[in-house]
Amino acid sequence: ETGVTQTPRHLVMGMTNKKSLKCEQHLGHNAMYWYKQSAKKPLELMFVYNFKEQTENNSVPSRFSPECPNSSHLFLHLHTLQPEDSALYLCASSQEMGPTDTQYFGPGTRLTVL
Amino acid sequence: GQNIDQPTEMTATEGAIVQINCTYQTSGFNGLFWYQQHAGEAPTFLSYNVLDGLEEKGRFSSFLSRSKGYSYLLLKELQMKDSASYLCARLDSNYQLIWGAGTKLIIKP
Repeated sequence: ETGVTQTPRHLVMGMTNKKSLKCEQHLGHNAMYWYKQSAKKPLELMFVYNFKEQTENNSVPSRFSPECPNSSHLFLHLHTLQPEDSALYLCASSQEMGPTDTQYFGPGTRLTVL
Repeated sequence: GQNIDQPTEMTATEGAIVQINCTYQTSGFNGLFWYQQHAGEAPTFLSYNVLDGLEEKGRFSSFLSRSKGYSYLLLKELQMKDSASYLCARLDSNYQLIWGAGTKLIIKP
């Protein structure tokens, strides 16, 4: 399944580094999402873009900065992260943000902050 | 609150049937999703219920009772490859998914 791709798959970074996560969807969708998944916890919605406009920022710290240059690409820029930010970061897309629009996920980026 | 409650872990035997329950807050409800997530992989869509009743898809079925805030996922003829986490998620009034922590299903031979 290559509908939603994410790079890199694994990332180890120090607290002072700056890195970016990339997501690309090949499904012709108009909505894209960033989620954080920590062990034994529910998926946490971080950011939502619908038709390239950010519609949601669920109280995410400013050390996470999203960018959506077009409806197929989504980035998550990271800087001065904390060890508690270590998690699996999942990107998803859906046709739109509607009642029957299923979200399709990428394989995630496993992030470790040292 | 927005809690989605589902069991943390379940164990079942190959060839058997297992039911994974999920309870959720009923206000602002727009549908109930089930996803499967194998370790280290992306969650994949299994089912969507918005009306009461049972939806059957091959070996997997999903049930919804809106008045009770209750859903279950029923897996029949279990296979070893069904070992995974099963995530319940409620679609809220803003069309955002509110997720449970997932149920880890362990299948034994």
